[in-house]
Amino acid sequence: QSVLTQPPSVSGAPGQRVTISCTGTNSNLGAGFRVHWYKQIPGTAPKLLIYDDTHRPSGVPDRFSGSKSGTSASLAITGLQAEDEADYYCQSYDSGLSEVFGGGTKLSVL
Amino acid sequence: QEQLQESGPGLVEPSETLTLTCSVSGGSIINYYWSWIRQPPGKGLEWIGYIYYNGNTNYNPSLKSRVTISIDTSKTRFSLKLNSVTAADTATYYCAKTEMAFDVWGPGTLVTVSS
Repeated sequence: QSVLTQPPSVSGAPGQRVTISCTGTNSNLGAGFRVHWYKQIPGTAPKLLIYDDTHRPSGVPDRFSGSKSGTSASLAITGLQAEDEADYYCQSYDSGLSEVFGGGTKLSVL
Repeated sequence: QEQLQESGPGLVEPSETLTLTCSVSGGSIINYYWSWIRQPPGKGLEWIGYIYYNGNTNYNPSLKSRVTISIDTSKTRFSLKLNSVTAADTATYYCAKTEMAFDVWGPGTLVTVSS
């Protein structure tokens, strides 16, 4: 059972918009700690996608965006492409547990 | 941009100590945090701990009694020791530069705990 809760899977057709939610508690997201998002293609290392709630590292397309409100955060992907098919993880800090991850969401592009 | 590379045994016997090293190239190890993260086969990510370049550490409470992370700034590498391992410690172990988040990752190394 992960400290941050994500849906196990989401799907969308090419060109569509999908969102992945990340729900925490008052000891992590609700306490104001920032959320980060990672993309992991199976068999490879995770890659940072969004940091500090909304910021994209250099090289990440603006099709990816993050938001956060209260104890919840979301990753949105617009203009869905086949290459977006991967596992996505949210991550934050928890005042009792230090760094914590969500359980991961598998994105399928139909 | 930095490149990170994990190294160490791929097989460790139960009750023994798992030891991995992360070599950092293409950048400075100074002024940053450096982390270890693991992923059991088919499962999610678990943060193990991190070390600041000055040696200060912070560990996952669930692993704290068994974990030691150390750093050698002169050799631009840092290491992980996890003792008293069991099959539950079988995982791909990643090292990562920790600045804004876990910014740069090594490719990972699979460690299997088995006799």
